[in-house]
Amino acid sequence: AQTVTQSQPEMSVQEAETVTLSCTYDTSESNYYLFWYKQPPSRQMILVIRQEAYKQQNATENRFSVNFQKAAKSFSLKISDSQLGDTAMYFCAFMKRFGNEKLTFGTGTRLTIIP
Amino acid sequence: DADVTQTPRNRITKTGKRIMLECSQTKGHDRMYWYRQDPGLGLRLIYYSFDVKDINKGEISDGYSVSRQAQAKFSLSLESAIPNQTALYFCATGPARLNTGELFFGEGSRLTVL
Repeated sequence: AQTVTQSQPEMSVQEAETVTLSCTYDTSESNYYLFWYKQPPSRQMILVIRQEAYKQQNATENRFSVNFQKAAKSFSLKISDSQLGDTAMYFCAFMKRFGNEKLTFGTGTRLTIIP
Repeated sequence: DADVTQTPRNRITKTGKRIMLECSQTKGHDRMYWYRQDPGLGLRLIYYSFDVKDINKGEISDGYSVSRQAQAKFSLSLESAIPNQTALYFCATGPARLNTGELFFGEGSRLTVL
């Protein structure tokens, strides 16, 4: 079974600063996806960024980027030039590829952007 | 209209009552999931279905049942609700071939059991 650990229950950062959210996972699988989902106060689950384990290059989406360390089983999210709209819960998630695909989530990090 | 619709959005009920949460989707996806979100615990999988004839238990299925009435509909039932089933419930869908792994979530159903 897979586990996903987010060790930072809460974080805060000043607007326009950079913040990094941590995530580690445990799996014996070699082929999988990793995700960061954002949940703003509206409670909608929004996909922020996705990484395929076989790709060594770190994924980026505008101000969002990841640091994927496969050997260390680490998958951190960096938010650059943080904005007030980035205030949300952030969940790291894991999905095995090819068979019985389902998302396993971490416990979340509540991020507050301070004006 | 949302691609993945959950009803009701909010519900307050009493201990012992039967409750059904419904999920319908217009994305044509085969895979459907029910998750439960609790503060400090993240989202946990209750049940999932990869097609109409396929139902699988997730990590926390006790006290819940599901019905896949059609490709587009997947309902979650609490036969006799109890207070520790108070939570935010999410339905999610995905295509038969999860080429990107992405699941699509409904807007959640907040259930309070008194």
